[in-house]
Amino acid sequence: DAGVTQSPTHLIKTRGQQVTLRCSPKSGHDTVSWYQQALGQGPQFIFQYYEEEERQRGNFPDRFSGHQFPNYSSELNVNALLLGDSALYLCASTRSSYEQYFGPGTRLTVT
Amino acid sequence: QQQVKQSPQSLIVQKGGISIINCAYENTAFDYFPWYQQFPGKGPALLIAIRPDVSEKKEGRFTISFNKSAKQFSLHIMDSQPGDSATYFCAASKKSYNTDKLIFGTGTRLQVFP
Repeated sequence: DAGVTQSPTHLIKTRGQQVTLRCSPKSGHDTVSWYQQALGQGPQFIFQYYEEEERQRGNFPDRFSGHQFPNYSSELNVNALLLGDSALYLCASTRSSYEQYFGPGTRLTVT
Repeated sequence: QQQVKQSPQSLIVQKGGISIINCAYENTAFDYFPWYQQFPGKGPALLIAIRPDVSEKKEGRFTISFNKSAKQFSLHIMDSQPGDSATYFCAASKKSYNTDKLIFGTGTRLQVFP
């Protein structure tokens, strides 16, 4: 049984560009959350998707957007990249439960 | 009101010793308190979690102690091993219309020396 998977593993982008990160939840899970983890910090909640809709959003600008597909996989899009967007982006999944399981993350570097 | 404060920032323990990491929260609506373990270059892995209706939960060498009145909880790692060397995060969450975002502490880097 595969856990949460994310792609790509690493990504290097230039300021002003746009990026799309992908996540496949753990089998049987229907809820996907995205977190941003800056170096040396704890993960910060970006938003959560359930039934293809954004259910709650953290304190992130509109440059951060997402989508959930009918198969429960999800994408995180970031527009107009800033140097400060460099971080590890984590996807976590759950199914009507407190327990959230994280993927390995995508390391985004903005130059 | 959404903060979770974690200490210490770093911890050095000898093999076989006890590692203790502490967290404090402010929002009394929180009702789920997990601990995550993260190795460099990896995502956080759920280690153990507790609900506020119990004061202690033990799984193998890992124990959570929970003090509801003080709004504090801690992770104890007994017989610490070099393989336990990682960053540990406490977190808190509350069920609100099926929303269960996690609020994380700032992390504790644990180093266990042989």
